[in-house]
Amino acid sequence: GAGVSQTPSNKVTEKGKYVELRCDPISGHTALYWYRQSLGQGPEFLIYFQGTGAADDSGLPNDRFFAVRPEGSVSTLKIQRTERGDSAVYLCASSNQDGYGYTFGSGTRLTVV
Amino acid sequence: QKEVEQNSGPLSVPEGAIASLNCTYSDRVSQSFFWYRQYSGKSPELIMSIYSNGDKEDGRFTAQLNKASQYVSLLIRDSQPSDSATYLCAPGGGSNYKLTFGKGTLLTVNP
Repeated sequence: GAGVSQTPSNKVTEKGKYVELRCDPISGHTALYWYRQSLGQGPEFLIYFQGTGAADDSGLPNDRFFAVRPEGSVSTLKIQRTERGDSAVYLCASSNQDGYGYTFGSGTRLTVV
Repeated sequence: QKEVEQNSGPLSVPEGAIASLNCTYSDRVSQSFFWYRQYSGKSPELIMSIYSNGDKEDGRFTAQLNKASQYVSLLIRDSQPSDSATYLCAPGGGSNYKLTFGKGTLLTVNP
């Protein structure tokens, strides 16, 4: 596609539920990144994929968070047993080369009630 | 100590003026530096990157980098109301892929 596509754009879920957030990167981009942005804060790094593998998952806050990218294209961020503190905008970005900045998708606003 | 600090806003300038946005960072190994613009309710948009000490100009935007002082800035000349947004500073740290963002500075350009 022309840009990074994220679905859904908004997700409201109840505390304790499981959610999946999807990211479709720019075609041909091998690198994919997930960030989380809380209100009034800058984006916070979660995980980086190079191809199918998670090259750096050091930003995942705990083991309730998991992300996959099985075919090296679309990625899914999975959150188990959601908590109200997980409420944020989850941003995905992709690039075809490290170190030159990257393009973010429009984000998924997750609200845990 | 915060890793990336930006001048606290909001910053308000009249149309046509120069807006100056400042950022200091703590990670001395940072080699790449990025400025993102974020309109309210939208995702961040990359507007400038800089890798070497000195100035880099792109249209009305000039990024300035001083690695010895761990300081990077963004100047916006001839500010327009459409420049009103939050500006995020993001050093690349020791990696080429992980950005550490500041909280951002809200800029308002008044017509």
